[in-house]
Amino acid sequence: SQTIHQWPATLVQPVGSPLSLECTVEGTSNPNLYWYRQAAGRGLQLLFYSVGIGQISSEVPQNLSASRPQDRQFILSSKKLLLSDSGFYLCAWSRGGSNEKLFFGSGTQLSVL
Amino acid sequence: KQEVTQIPAALSVPEGENLVLNCSFTDSAIYNLQWFRQDPGKGLTSLLLIQSSQREQTSGRLNASLDKSSGRSTLYIAASQPGDSATYLCASSRGSEKLVFGKGTKLTVNP
Repeated sequence: SQTIHQWPATLVQPVGSPLSLECTVEGTSNPNLYWYRQAAGRGLQLLFYSVGIGQISSEVPQNLSASRPQDRQFILSSKKLLLSDSGFYLCAWSRGGSNEKLFFGSGTQLSVL
Repeated sequence: KQEVTQIPAALSVPEGENLVLNCSFTDSAIYNLQWFRQDPGKGLTSLLLIQSSQREQTSGRLNASLDKSSGRSTLYIAASQPGDSATYLCASSRGSEKLVFGKGTKLTVNP
C-alpha cells in the first residue's frame, strides 16, 4: 500500500529564517506530487506540483520554492520566511491521469514570528 | 475561473440524523468532483470521487451525487455519528493539478 510522510508536524520560525519541509511517498513510482497551503478561513491553495524528477510547476508567485531531487521526494523551501508564510502546509500525491484521487500527508503547521 | 462554494460553513446536528452537505461550482467542464474529510490539525482524507460521466458514488453511509448541468454536488451522510464530526471539503477537477477546493463545511454531530 502507498503511504505519504510529511515532517515536521509543527514548526515555529523567526522572520527571515530559511525553511525546508520534506515529503516522501512510499509504495508507488512516478507519482504526481503537490504542495498546498491552507490559511485560516481560506480554502486550499495549490503552491507547486510536479509530474517528475526536476519538473516543478508553480501556481502562484511567492516567497517559496520547491524541488524534487528524487522520484518520491518533494521539498518546499524558502530562503527568508515572511510573516505571511504562516499557515498549514500539506503535501499530496496522485497517480497520473484525470480521474485519480488525491492523497494527503498529515500536514505541517508553520508559524512565522 | 472555477469557483467552488460550500454552504453552510458550519452545521450542527444530533446523532442519528441524516444530513446533506452542499457544494456548487461555476464551470461545469470538470473531469470529476471529489469529497474530502479533514479532522482538526490533520491532512485531508479522500472520501469519494465522482467522474463527470457518473451521477453518484457510494461508500458505506456516504453517498455523493453530481449534477453537472446545475453545477452542484451533494454529500449525503446517513445515520450520523459523533465520529463523523469533521470539516468536509469538495473539490472540482480538470486534471490532478487543477483541483479547486471549497472552503469546507464544519460538521458537528452531537451525542
